[in-house]
Amino acid sequence: DTEVTQTPKHLVMGMTNKKSLKCEQHMGHRAMYWYKQKAKKPPELMFVYSYEKLSINESVPSRFSPECPNSSLLNLHLHALQPEDSALYLCASSQVRGGELFFGEGSRLTVL
Amino acid sequence: SQQGEEDPQALSIQEGENATMNCSYKTSINNLQWYRQNSGRGLVHLILIRSNEREKHSGRLRVTLDTSKKSSSLLITASRAADTASYFCAAVGRYGQNFVFGPGTRLSVLP
Repeated sequence: DTEVTQTPKHLVMGMTNKKSLKCEQHMGHRAMYWYKQKAKKPPELMFVYSYEKLSINESVPSRFSPECPNSSLLNLHLHALQPEDSALYLCASSQVRGGELFFGEGSRLTVL
Repeated sequence: SQQGEEDPQALSIQEGENATMNCSYKTSINNLQWYRQNSGRGLVHLILIRSNEREKHSGRLRVTLDTSKKSSSLLITASRAADTASYFCAAVGRYGQNFVFGPGTRLSVLP
């Protein structure tokens, strides 16, 4: 199984809502990542978990809250988002930090 | 920052032609990776070249790395319409620090 599965594929939320994005991999990878991508831009790194510990947080606003409940799962909790947070959110995993990344298809988020 | 910078930002070629994209980075690396992204989809890993390698092939792809110039190039030979996509490089730091994608090259292959 070489897949990274992200749910939901699409999400529309108001600025006062609380929602979560989920990511799952069963490749035994020990590093997992969240990226944010705006149209026609490269993915921007948000968070990196290595062995279920947060190892990189790229100065992301606190309205984004990552969670890694176990080695296969990665969540991104969303609260009080702004319209400019609308983007494609990509999850990726790698066997170790710095290795080849396997990406999910992303969750397209629209904040109204 | 390990950010890669691709050049050109957009490239349009005819089917059957070769496409070359370049990437520059700033500091010492452990490896450099190339990815492809079809519009609105996730990125797909193409090839990884380590800092002690100079050239690597995978099918129609050829990647070179020049650590003295801190640059890499991706060559796609005999391009096909299906190669139309955005291509990104990412330079990974010496200790596996993560890695930031460059702005990308948007490749259009015309039938």
